[in-house]
This record gives sequence, C-alpha cells and structure tokens, in this order.
Amino acid sequence: AQSVTQLDSQVPVFEEAPVELRCNYSSSVSVYLFWYVQYPNQGLQLLLKYLSGSTLVKGINGFEAEFNKSQTSFHLRKPSVHISDTAEYFCAVSDNGNQFYFGTGTSLTVIP
Amino acid sequence: NAGVTQTPKFQVLKTGQSMTLQCAQDMNHEYMSWYRQDPGMGLRLIHYSVGAGITDQGEVPNGYNVSRSTTEDFPLRLLSAAPSQTSVYFCASSLWGTEGETQYFGPGTRLLVL
Repeated sequence: AQSVTQLDSQVPVFEEAPVELRCNYSSSVSVYLFWYVQYPNQGLQLLLKYLSGSTLVKGINGFEAEFNKSQTSFHLRKPSVHISDTAEYFCAVSDNGNQFYFGTGTSLTVIP
Repeated sequence: NAGVTQTPKFQVLKTGQSMTLQCAQDMNHEYMSWYRQDPGMGLRLIHYSVGAGITDQGEVPNGYNVSRSTTEDFPLRLLSAAPSQTSVYFCASSLWGTEGETQYFGPGTRLLVL
C-alpha cells in the first residue's frame, strides 16, 4: 500500500509571501501524484497532478509542484499567496487508478 | 452539469440506527468512491466501484455497505451506526480506464452518531 506524509499540519504565511507545502510518499512502483484544495465546508478540488513527463507541474490559481523521484517528494509552491488561498491542502497518491491515498492535510492560513 | 451531489448535507443518528447516504453524478463516470474525513487523518477510502455491479473495499470498509445498480448512483449504507462513524463523508467520481484521472468530489455529508 502507498502512504503519504504531509510534514506540516499548519502553515501560517503573510499575504504576498511565498509558500511551500511539503509532501512525501512511499511507494515501490510508479505513482500518480495529486494536490487537492478544500475550502471551508466544501468538497475537494484538484489543484494539479503529476502523471508523467516534466517534473514541474503547473496548476490552477498560480500553484505549481515539483516531482522528485529520488526524494519521493511532491512539494507544492506558490510565489505569492493571497487571502483567498486560505484553505486545507491535501496531497494524494495512486498507483493503479483504483485506490487513492491521501495525506492528513496542511492547513494554510494567509495573514493580511 | 450538477457534478457530484450528496444528500443529506447533515444527519444526526442514534447508535444502532441505520441510514443511507446518497451520491449521484451526471458525468457518466465509471469510477465512484466513498471517503470519510476525520481530523488529523485526512481522507480514507471506504469503498469504490469501477462500474455498475462492481464494487470493492477500500482502506476502512467495516460497518459500511455499498452497491452500484446504475452508473449514476452509488449509495453508502450504515446498517447499525456507531459513534466511531461520526465523520464527514465525501463521494467522488472520475473516468476510469486511463490511469491518473481527476476525481470530482461532492460537497460532503456531515454525520453525527450519538
């Protein structure tokens, strides 16, 4: 089975500052990697995903993530955050497309 | 498209009661799944289905039943609710057959078992 570790449960950051949300996974096979965002009292929405090819993946709302196979990481970054980015962020992994494993989430709070 | 819809939005049950959480999608997705979300534990897969008549267990299936009689609907049944099933439940759907498909999530059902 796969597992996903999100190293930071809470990340406070000032508005317009850069942010990195960390995600590491464990797998002995090739995987597909995802970042989802959850706004309060809503379901999850896809930010971006890595399937193959370029290790730098760009997503919606100015987010990007880099797949690092040697470090089994898929960190999410944004160069300048906005108040509206305040949300819960989940990293997820799948190896066969049938079962998805989610991390425990990182709560991003953008401070004005 | 309505996307993925879930009913009810909120539910309070007493221990031992049964209920069905409804999930429907109008995107003709083959793959549907149920997750529960608990504080500090992220989302955990309960059951999933890759088409009508086909279901399988996920990470935490105990206490839950599912069936898939149509492509559109994937209800989750709690036969005898327990306080440990207090959680937020999300249904998701996606295309299937091509790996790495995006999952689309419903708005969730908040369940409290007393």
